[in-house]
Amino acid sequence: EIVMTQSPATLSVSPGERATLSCRASQTVNSNLAWYQQKPGQVPRLLIYGAYIRATGIPDRFSGSGSGTEFTLTISSLQSEDFAVYYCQQYSDWPPLTFGGGTKVEIK
Amino acid sequence: QVLLVQSGAEVKKPGASVNVSCKTSGYRFTSYYMHWVRQAPGQRFEWLGWFNPNTGGTQYARKFQGRVTMTRDTSIATAYMELRGLRSDDTAVYHCARVGVAGPPFYDNWGQGTLVTVSS
Repeated sequence: EIVMTQSPATLSVSPGERATLSCRASQTVNSNLAWYQQKPGQVPRLLIYGAYIRATGIPDRFSGSGSGTEFTLTISSLQSEDFAVYYCQQYSDWPPLTFGGGTKVEIK
Repeated sequence: QVLLVQSGAEVKKPGASVNVSCKTSGYRFTSYYMHWVRQAPGQRFEWLGWFNPNTGGTQYARKFQGRVTMTRDTSIATAYMELRGLRSDDTAVYHCARVGVAGPPFYDNWGQGTLVTVSS
């Protein structure tokens, strides 16, 4: 089973600043990685798939990069609505599909 | 508009079973696989398995084999997930999520979630 590790667990950022979130896989997942955003009481929203492809309707301030075992989600200029928990998910070697533990982006 | 609407919250005793439904609309039910994932309090998402509404085919996570069954009723475009032998650590929000038949398994449409609480 591929283990996904996200860091940091919590990221404190001021509105307008850049946020950089990391996701590491225990073995290569090539580019088979997705990112989700989840706000309290809501279902996850797909942001990125294929490591860097933005899902439909996702603003271009969200960008994904990386391949193999190291991935990054960057939010170029944080808006108030971006404060949430972000999860990565690998779909390279499954079953099982596996998720990271999440990074909470909070207001500094 | 694609909608996946799940059944309401459940409270179960240890050892009992729970059946969660996921009623779909806005797309052809048999053209998309249905996956089930759960999120226990403070834990990461955990994948339970997938179900093919067209053929009835399934694949379950090894951890849940023997305890989970996924089915459907195509006449009402609804998928079901039954989990048996409930334990306290099965307390979680359970989600259905659709995946294209030929598509990679990431999720752009989720059910709203069903909270299952296991407590004596």
